[in-house]
Amino acid sequence: EAGVTQFPSHSVIEKGQTVTLRCDPISGHDNLYWYRRVMGKEIKFLLHFVKESKQDESGMPNNRFLAERTGGTYSTLKVQPAELEDSGVYFCASSQGKARYNEQFFGPGTRLTVL
Amino acid sequence: SQQGEEDPQALSIQEGENATMNCSYKTSINNLQWYRQNSGRGLVHLILIRSNEREKHSGRLRVTLDTSKKSSSLLITASRAADTASYFCATDGGIGGSYIPTFGRGTSLIVHP
Repeated sequence: EAGVTQFPSHSVIEKGQTVTLRCDPISGHDNLYWYRRVMGKEIKFLLHFVKESKQDESGMPNNRFLAERTGGTYSTLKVQPAELEDSGVYFCASSQGKARYNEQFFGPGTRLTVL
Repeated sequence: SQQGEEDPQALSIQEGENATMNCSYKTSINNLQWYRQNSGRGLVHLILIRSNEREKHSGRLRVTLDTSKKSSSLLITASRAADTASYFCATDGGIGGSYIPTFGRGTSLIVHP
């Protein structure tokens, strides 16, 4: 069974540009999460989808970040316009069933560098 | 305040030695999880321990949980060079609290061959 996949693995952009990250969860997982790790700091939650609906987006840093999950399958996270402090590794995770009780499976992450 | 603070921040040992990492947290939890991240790769789930459990084993891994001290430890026995990675603990918000795991900054483990 395929795990969580993310694309691209690396992205280098200039400040002010737009970047879109993609996450494909494990098939059948209704829950999809985005996290971010800025260099040397803790991994922070960004948001949680249940199918196509945003269950919790309390971790989204500002309105330059837009996450979508059309059709409840894959998800995209767009950063527009990107700032230097957006650099970091963006992880996606998915889980099945009740979010509270089930393990989250993480993807390999997308390393974003904003110059 | 931060949930899931790992200690030490960095650990360097020789192959064959045991490695112990600790995690402290501040509020009640339902579950505590340990993850590993190898350089350039995603987080790999190692063990989930529930608040009513005190110890769990998985291969060379042993996790303990002391809810009275709000702490957990991860022991890797007979370490290998391939165990070199960052290790994170993640806690949820307990009964009535957030189900979203909160991660610490991790312990960076280096195992020298």
